[in-house]
Amino acid sequence: LAKTTQPISMDSYEGQEVNITCSHNNIATNDYITWYQQFPSQGPRFIIQGYKTKVTNEVASLFIPADRKSSTLSLPRVSLSDTAVYYCLVVGATDSWGKFQFGAGTQVVVTP
Amino acid sequence: GAVVSQHPSWVICKSGTSVKIECRSLDFQATTMFWYRQFPKQSLMLMATSNEGSKATYEQGVEKDKFLINHASLTLSTLTVTSAHPEDSSFYICSARRSYEQYFGPGTRLTVT
Repeated sequence: LAKTTQPISMDSYEGQEVNITCSHNNIATNDYITWYQQFPSQGPRFIIQGYKTKVTNEVASLFIPADRKSSTLSLPRVSLSDTAVYYCLVVGATDSWGKFQFGAGTQVVVTP
Repeated sequence: GAVVSQHPSWVICKSGTSVKIECRSLDFQATTMFWYRQFPKQSLMLMATSNEGSKATYEQGVEKDKFLINHASLTLSTLTVTSAHPEDSSFYICSARRSYEQYFGPGTRLTVT
């Protein structure tokens, strides 16, 4: 399982775009990059997943450069309710698929 | 969508007693479920992998005789904390695997007094 490194915390104001970069230098060929969001006393919630280039859904975008050694989660126009911990995970499509190893995550705090 | 539930959402027990936590996949079958533990201000720590019809696989440092896991059906896995002690107080989260995705339950807050 590839190790991930991401900032411990990020602060933002409402309406701004938040970009969280995650490093995963040891990502394997068959690995996917997945981001989860967690609010206090709740289970993690899936945000987005990608393999390469750019993926966009209704809540976020995920940018993955060609070497795939990093990825950036982009949250457009954040609101107070986006205050949460965001986890970047590298998940392998092998027998151990689904066995997640969570890193420290990034605490995002959105203020008015 | 894929929904995973946990019961109870919180539980308080006395030291030395056992507590069972249920994890259910409500709208899909999950051959593999996972159990995590999370202490305050910390990340999730994987405790064990639960496979339907077979023994659970525990992560290093997790006592299998203390944290009993049973995955008797494709929609239910249970975690029993035996002879609980105050240091077992934590937030326990399960997840269920469906294809290449994993869905998390809402968590169970265990407090041992």
